[in-house]
Amino acid sequence: DSGVTQTPKHLITATGQRVTLRCSPRSGDLSVYWYQQSLDQGLQFLIQYYNGEERAKGNILERFSAQQFPDLHSELNLSSLELGDSALYFCASSVTGGWDTEAFFGQGTRLTVV
Amino acid sequence: GQNIDQPTEMTATEGAIVQINCTYQTSGFNGLFWYQQHAGEAPTFLSYNVLDGLEEKGRFSSFLSRSKGYSYLLLKELQMKDSASYLCAVLYTGGFKTIFGAGTRLFVKA
Repeated sequence: DSGVTQTPKHLITATGQRVTLRCSPRSGDLSVYWYQQSLDQGLQFLIQYYNGEERAKGNILERFSAQQFPDLHSELNLSSLELGDSALYFCASSVTGGWDTEAFFGQGTRLTVV
Repeated sequence: GQNIDQPTEMTATEGAIVQINCTYQTSGFNGLFWYQQHAGEAPTFLSYNVLDGLEEKGRFSSFLSRSKGYSYLLLKELQMKDSASYLCAVLYTGGFKTIFGAGTRLFVKA
């Protein structure tokens, strides 16, 4: 158990809908990262937050948004869902915002868009 | 682009040594990660290299050559549980984006 909690574990929804994925980082970790892993794209970095502020942005679509709250949990919002958004979404956390510190991954949320 | 290249699959024998290579584009390089991922599970951090040379951590070692845009992960005394995908990822400056390779699936046979 990495200490990073993601909910829900599984989510099935229809095209055009909007969903929210939630991540609770390890206690004491200030930085949260979101990743998408699909069969055809592999693992992709989406976005990083550090202590409530956006720190780095990767391949995140405009239909997707994220935020980190004062209690440091984070949410990833996916809207106008398409079939291609079906993937495993991972959250990871680390103590600092520096990439040289080890990041611990949650078990992921498997999103299926039908 | 910032392609990360690593072999798709490798097979090795229990108790042996295997080296998984990774090449990347050097422009904007800021560090290289190796992760292990078992099927259906989350990635697990193995190493982070930013300076040239070899870093050893138990049975796993990671090597980096910044000038050549080359890294390898060395796994010694292979165990069946080492059967997994190994992901090479490079941190690039200019937004600190992490680009992942497609991963190398390692099969360890008895």
